[in-house]
Parts: sequence; C-alpha cells; structure tokens
Amino acid sequence: ETGVTQTPRHLVMGMTNKKSLKCEQHLGHNAMYWYKQSAKKPLELMFVYNFKEQTENNSVPSRFSPECPNSSHLFLHLHTLQPEDSALYLCASSQVGTGQYYNEQFFGPGTRLTVL
Amino acid sequence: AQSVTQLDSQVPVFEEAPVELRCNYSSSVSVYLFWYVQYPNQGLQLLLKYLSGSTLVKGINGFEAEFNKSQTSFHLRKPSVHISDTAEYFCAVVIRNAGNMLTFGGGTRLMVKP
Repeated sequence: ETGVTQTPRHLVMGMTNKKSLKCEQHLGHNAMYWYKQSAKKPLELMFVYNFKEQTENNSVPSRFSPECPNSSHLFLHLHTLQPEDSALYLCASSQVGTGQYYNEQFFGPGTRLTVL
Repeated sequence: AQSVTQLDSQVPVFEEAPVELRCNYSSSVSVYLFWYVQYPNQGLQLLLKYLSGSTLVKGINGFEAEFNKSQTSFHLRKPSVHISDTAEYFCAVVIRNAGNMLTFGGGTRLMVKP
C-alpha cells in the first residue's frame, strides 16, 4: 500500500449504530487530519493530530470521536449520528516540524457515509 | 480569519478550449495558495501551489495559476482542456508560518464536453 488509505470506502448506518472509519498513512508523516466534505459546502477541517496529540478540534459534535493510536493510524468513531452527517469523510497526512514553512497534505480517497 | 471564494460552482467547456477557474481570497496576513483537483470517487490531489517567488506557477497536467496580490486572486488556467480534466477543483489557502491549516473554497466543477 502506498500513500493514504481509508476503509471502508462506503458505509451506510442507522442513527443508533456505532461504527468506525479507519485511515492509514504509509508516508512516514507525523500529522494526520479528518475533513468533512458535504454537498454544496466547502471542505471542513474536523480534527488535527500532531505527533499523536490532538491539536485542533474544529467545534465538532461529540458524536464524532477521533483516535490516533500512533502516527500512522487515525480513526473516527461514530455513534448516534444524524442524517445531516451524511458526507464524504477525507483523511490527510503531512510532515510538520520546525523550520518547515509549509508541508503538503496528502489525501486519502475518502469514506462515503450515509446515515439513514 | 481567512476565506476563499470560488465564483463559479460549475464551468462547462468544450474539449480543446481554454479554461479559467476563478479564485479570490481574503486574509489580513500573508498566505500560501493552492489548487487541488478531485476526480470522481477519489481524494484530493495537489495541482500546484504558490509559496513565494514568481507569481506564475505551473502545475501538473498542463495547469498554471497566477498570484495577483493587488486583486487577491489566484486564478487557474489551462490553454486546452481534455475530457479527462472533468473533475472538481478546489482553491485553498494557508496562513504563512502559522501551521498547516488549509481553508478551502467551495469548489468548481469543470465539465469538459466532446
């Protein structure tokens, strides 16, 4: 596997279900991100993890719970979601560190989530 | 806070015609600028970026963009498009020397017709 992978690619769940999205990066990066892409809305940054520590939570509801067990893996745990949470969830990774004025983010293919 | 506006949600164009996708940004501080492309059922791929230096930047697949500081614009252009360029294009900014947080525009769907 190369780059950033996400599983599953498609997920349909009911409002009472609990599910998890998985992201894995094979690039040796130390930062990972979750984005939400809804129809007719700009991409929204949800969470950022630098060196496995959460450094950004962009006012995301608590029904979304991220987990970053190591610098290569990122999870998004979902519970009691609403139909308006249906969207494409994208994961990205980058290398961050002192002296780097910008480091490109590499994106995975996304998980298409439908909440019934 | 910074913001990005992509003025056209959809741009239809015939194959081999030129195209320009417009992007304007608003920020009280200096930014880096990016264009990403998203093909159907795929993630985002970086097309090109402006960090410093020449205001005309060239990217992959024959695309280029020009940074215009006075007009706060970063329009994307291609002189001759192909059917395979059909995709969603996103303009994005990052505040200089302030981390890696991308702020995206709403996207422009480029539809290339035969």
